[in-house]
Amino acid sequence: DAGITQSPRHKVTETGTPVTLRCHQTENHRYMYWYRQDPGHGLRLIHYSYGVKDTDKGEVSDGYSVSRSKTEDFLLTLESATSSQTSVYFCAISESRAGQLFFGSGTQLSVL
Amino acid sequence: AQTVTQSQPEMSVQEAETVTLSCTYDTSESDYYLFWYKQPPSRQMILVIRQEAYKQQNATENRFSVNFQKAAKSFSLKISDSQLGDAAMYFCAYRLIQGAQKLVFGQGTRLTINP
Repeated sequence: DAGITQSPRHKVTETGTPVTLRCHQTENHRYMYWYRQDPGHGLRLIHYSYGVKDTDKGEVSDGYSVSRSKTEDFLLTLESATSSQTSVYFCAISESRAGQLFFGSGTQLSVL
Repeated sequence: AQTVTQSQPEMSVQEAETVTLSCTYDTSESDYYLFWYKQPPSRQMILVIRQEAYKQQNATENRFSVNFQKAAKSFSLKISDSQLGDAAMYFCAYRLIQGAQKLVFGQGTRLTINP
């Protein structure tokens, strides 16, 4: 398995609180991604990074911000969590031009 | 914008039989990749098979094969000799060859294997 660690694995929080999810990789891959998975929607891209301090928005970026200060770490922050952000969050990495993404194990986030 | 559609939310098949999962996509580009990912109950995303759009030959990986119809923008997955371990959510995905390598996913198909 690709060296990707997501933390925490599970989190329960209250509406209005800030939340930060962490993705750590040991593969030195250039590209990193945050997706959310919801029933009936598959996986939708929130934000992605194509290098240190280089990030861009995906299709569902509202309410989320990201930071990448080191190659190995990609942080996803919910500034003020809402119930609609209850979801499973996946981090992924990619380097090969062959296009395969490698995924972390996911974080189950519940916003009450 | 590119979109991927999986029109079958759920499918079931008898063990040892063959099943085909459907996927269509919409793009104006000519160079891209298509993928099928499997997500078992463990939640892990596992790459099943990959197809380069410039290749006419359909990709195969053991019991898994695809029927890639570029003009029709169709990319179906055939699973032969279905096994209990094949039970999972299956996602079709698309990405451009150039660019940031971000994948666009379909909604998923839940496959059940009946013993």
